[in-house]
Amino acid sequence: GQQLNQSPQSMFIQEGEDVSMNCTSSSIFNTWLWYKQDPGEGPVLLIALYKAGELTSNGRLTAQFGITRKDSFLNISASIPSDVGIYFCAGPQNSGNTPLVFGKGTRLSVIA
Amino acid sequence: DVKVTQSSRYLVKRTGEKVFLECVQDMDHENMFWYRQDPGLGLRLIYFSYDVKMKEKGDIPEGYSVSREKKERFSLILESASTNQTSMYLCASSTTGLAKNIQYFGAGTRLSVL
Repeated sequence: GQQLNQSPQSMFIQEGEDVSMNCTSSSIFNTWLWYKQDPGEGPVLLIALYKAGELTSNGRLTAQFGITRKDSFLNISASIPSDVGIYFCAGPQNSGNTPLVFGKGTRLSVIA
Repeated sequence: DVKVTQSSRYLVKRTGEKVFLECVQDMDHENMFWYRQDPGLGLRLIYFSYDVKMKEKGDIPEGYSVSREKKERFSLILESASTNQTSMYLCASSTTGLAKNIQYFGAGTRLSVL
């Protein structure tokens, strides 16, 4: 089935630094979703992308839908301790009502 | 706000016990999902349902069953719990409307099977 390759697997950064992570696929996706999971909690949607080339921001977070439709990027600016968690990319397996495919996540640690 | 509620945050069960994990959503969503999450393996889909009394196998259905008797409730059943089913279980729901594909998750149930 479809797979999403997410990188890096983990990151350790200093508070205040910018963060960049990405997600790639061998097949085309029509929607890209980015979720964040706080420790011990369920994932929460951060940003949804629906159009190739789309760039969307949510506070200090910015995500882009790659023009090839096979990748997406998430950037976090000026990281703070509460950014700690696991970030997942996801997309629907095909058009219509369908389950999501998830990347394996990027675990972010922020050192104060 | 969408609310997906999982009945327990933590559960400890013994090998061979029958285990029920309950999930309720309050947004009249048509679709509901059960995942398990293990370190290094990400989220893996166990079962999902697009309607009452309907169920579809996900990627790892072995050892699990589900029940959806009411639209708002989706239950995951471990018929005979085993130690390799120790994991974090996440329930999610989504609509078939304009915001389809966006899944809303519960807080998770951390199950330990001893």
